[in-house]
Amino acid sequence: DGGITQSPKYLFRKEGQNVTLSCEQNLNHDAMYWYRQDPGQGLRLIYYSQIVNDFQKGDIAEGYSVSREKKESFPLTVTSAQKNPTAFYLCASSSSPLRNEQFFGPGTRLTVL
Amino acid sequence: GDSVTQMEGPVTLSEEAFLTINCTYTATGYPSLFWYVQYPGEGLQLLLKATKADDKGSNKGFEATYRKETTSFHLEKGSVQVSDSAVYFCAGGKLIFGQGTELSVKP
Repeated sequence: DGGITQSPKYLFRKEGQNVTLSCEQNLNHDAMYWYRQDPGQGLRLIYYSQIVNDFQKGDIAEGYSVSREKKESFPLTVTSAQKNPTAFYLCASSSSPLRNEQFFGPGTRLTVL
Repeated sequence: GDSVTQMEGPVTLSEEAFLTINCTYTATGYPSLFWYVQYPGEGLQLLLKATKADDKGSNKGFEATYRKETTSFHLEKGSVQVSDSAVYFCAGGKLIFGQGTELSVKP
C-alpha cells in the first residue's frame, strides 16, 4: 500500500537533547512538508522540500532542521534551540509542490520533559 | 497574501442534524480548495476538493461548492453521525490551512 509513515508514534526526550523524527513516503511524490500542530490550533509549516537536495523554511523554522537526501525520506530534527518543542508533528507529501492536495502521515507526538 | 478563514468551533450537534462549516478564502486567482478531516490522534485525510469555480466536491455525504462570487467553500452534510466527530480543516492556495473546526456529534 502506498502512503506515508512516521515513526515513532510517541516520543519522549529530556530538555536540551536533539531528536530526529522520521518521515518516509512510497508515493513517488516530489514535494514533502513538515507541520507542527498544537492543541486546539491549526497547522503551522516548519519546512518544505520541493525536490531532492533542496528545502525551504516555512513559517516557524527556528529551532528545527531537515535534510532531503532521498526522494522517499524527509527527516526533521528538533534541536535544543527550539524553545517549546512539545507538540504533534505531521509530515505530508504531494505530487507537485505547494498547491496540490497533500497526503499526511499519522503524526508523531513529541513530549519534552 | 493568501488566507483561509473558517468558522470557529467547537460545534456540537445531535445525530442526524444538518451540518454547515463556513470557509472563506482570499487568494490571487482561483486556487484549488480542499477540506481535510482529522480524527483524534491521527493525521489529516483529504475529505473532498474542488479545482475550479462552481465545482462541487463530495465524499461520504459531505459536499462543498467553490463559489467564486462569495469566495467561499462551505462544508455541508445533511445528516451527521457520531462517527463524523472530528476536526475539519479548510485549505487552499499556497499551503494555507484554516484553524480547524472541531465537530462533536451526540447520539
